[in-house]
Order: sequence, then structure tokens, then C-alpha cells
Amino acid sequence: GAVVSQHPSRVICKSGTSVKIECRSLDFQATTMFWYRQFPKKSLMLMATSNEGSKATYEQGVEKDKFLINHASLTLSTLTVTSAHPEDSSFYICSARDQEAEAFFGQGTRLTVV
Amino acid sequence: GENVEQHPSTLSVQEGDSAVIKCTYSDSASNYFPWYKQELGKGPQLIIDIRSNVGEKKDQRIAVTLNKTAKHFSLHITETQPEDSAVYFCAASQGNTPLVFGKGTRLSVIA
Repeated sequence: GAVVSQHPSRVICKSGTSVKIECRSLDFQATTMFWYRQFPKKSLMLMATSNEGSKATYEQGVEKDKFLINHASLTLSTLTVTSAHPEDSSFYICSARDQEAEAFFGQGTRLTVV
Repeated sequence: GENVEQHPSTLSVQEGDSAVIKCTYSDSASNYFPWYKQELGKGPQLIIDIRSNVGEKKDQRIAVTLNKTAKHFSLHITETQPEDSAVYFCAASQGNTPLVFGKGTRLSVIA
């Protein structure tokens, strides 16, 4: 199957700082990527849809100024958690769909805000 | 919008037995139904998917069935092995819309 690479896999940051997470589709072009958040022992919660060359579409309740999404190319989307707080600590996962609409996920990023 | 229900939430089977996980969806327009396996600390891995023009699909020990009329689909794992232990998620979507996930099933295969 297609490969989606997410980096970093784990990051620890101080409260008030910003963290950038990258999501790359390695062997296909993705006009749309998706960002999810997952709490322990819970399902994936869609945060936003990242559209190449345009603004992201955020789900209700997700602060767009806090979770900045940039989809600058057909193979790269980034999620920046701004002014991070301990409650932002979570597992963040990106996804991209290939030409056959199959959805593949990155390895996930474990964010810990201290 | 779409709503996906998944059962059971936990499932324990003896090694070699079969495991079945069931999902129902609410939006009759949904036409893509993937299943994912997620191991601890990792992203979900696509293991099999089915589209609405197909009733059944099989890949070695894994099979998925779809009943469009009843709006439910199931994952079947035969000859389970300890390495099948993980959390499994079903999902549904229409076209390129975001996937809507079930709440997951924690499968434990007991050796």
C-alpha cells in the first residue's frame, strides 16, 4: 500500500512553545490530507481537512488559530500546535488518500507538553 | 452526517479460533468501508477495505462482508494468531470525504 510518513514520532515541549508536525505522502500525490487526534483507548477524532493550496477545513470545536495547518504541496501537510498547553498532550495522526481513495495513516506523533 | 457503530468493544479468542467484528453505518450514500489495525503507539494500518459494489472480499486469513440493505459490514479473521492482538477500527466514507470511525475493538488472542 501507499506510504505516509509522519515526523516526529515523539516530541516533548514546554508550555507556551509551538510544535510543528509534518506529514508526507511518499509515493503518491495527495490533494487532501486529514489530521486526527486520539486520546488513550479512544477512537480517532477528526480535527481538520487539509487542502493543498487552500485553507484547511476545521471540525467544530477545533481552534484554527491554535492548530495551524499548512498544505503547501501535494505531498506535504504540516500541523503546528501553537502556544501549547498540557491539555494539548495527545497522539496526533495524519492521513492521506491515494488516487483510489484508499486512506493511509502516518505513524502518529506523541506530543507531551510539560 | 455519518455515524458508525462498532461491536464488540473487546473480544478475546483462543489462538486458532475465528474473530468477528461488526459495524453498522447510518448514511446510505457511504460507499467505502476500510478496516484498520492499530498497535500500541502506532498509527492505524489499513488491512482490508470494501466498496459498495462488492459484497465480500478476502485476503488470506482476513475477509470483509458488506450488506448494503442492512447497512452493516463485518471483519472476519480466521486462524487467529497472537500477533493479531491489537485494536481494530472500522470506518465509512463517501468518495473522498473524511472517514468516520467506529469506536474500536480490542482483540486479544490467547495462546
